[in-house]
Amino acid sequence: DAKTTQPNSMESNEEEPVHLPCNHSTISGTDYIHWYRQLPSQGPEYVIHGLTSNVNNRMASLAIAEDRKSSTLILHRATLRDAAVYYCILGLEGSARQLTFGSGTQLTVLP
Amino acid sequence: SQTIHQWPATLVQPVGSPLSLECTVEGTSNPNLYWYRQAAGRGLQLLFYSVGIGQISSEVPQNLSASRPQDRQFILSSKKLLLSDSGFYLCAWSRQGYGYTFGSGTRLTVV
Repeated sequence: DAKTTQPNSMESNEEEPVHLPCNHSTISGTDYIHWYRQLPSQGPEYVIHGLTSNVNNRMASLAIAEDRKSSTLILHRATLRDAAVYYCILGLEGSARQLTFGSGTQLTVLP
Repeated sequence: SQTIHQWPATLVQPVGSPLSLECTVEGTSNPNLYWYRQAAGRGLQLLFYSVGIGQISSEVPQNLSASRPQDRQFILSSKKLLLSDSGFYLCAWSRQGYGYTFGSGTRLTVV
C-alpha cells in the first residue's frame, strides 16, 4: 500500500489559517487522498477527500499538487475545536481494505 | 441519514474471559464494515473488514475473530482475552461514493 508522510505535530493560533502537509510520493493513479481527524477518545471524523482537483467543503479545503505526490489540508480559520490528530490516508473511494492509518499530525491550536 | 452504533463505550475484562463487541449501521444497505484497533498514542490498525454477510477478511493474525450475521451488524469476538488485547476498538462503515464513518469506539481494558 502507498504510504503517507506527515509532520508529527503542528501549532496554530486561533482564527488563523492552518496548512497541514502530506507527502505521498508513491500514490497510484486510482488512490484518493482522504483526510480524517480524531479528537481524544473519539472515532476519526471524515474531513475531506479528493482525487486530482482541489476540493472545498464546509470544514476545509484540500489542495492537491499537480503530480499528486503531495497535498495540503487547509483549515481557513482554526478554532480550539479543531485541535485533533489529522490523518492523511490514501485509498480507493468507498472500497474495503483501504484506509491504512499512519500516526498523523497532532494539531495544537493556541488561544 | 446513516448512523453507526457501537457498544459498550468502556469495558474492563479479566484475562482469559470472552469478548463480544457489537456494531450496527442504520440508514444504508450492503455497507463495507471494518473493525480497527488503536493502542494508546498510536494510529489505527485495521483488524477485519467485510464486504457482505458472512464475508470476513482478517488483516492481522491475532486472538480475535469477527462475524457478520446480518447485513448491517458486525461483531468482534474473542474466546480468551489477553492483556495485549487492551485498546480502543472502532467500528466503521463505507460505501462507494461515501467517506468512511466511524463509531464512537469501545475502550477495552484487560486486567
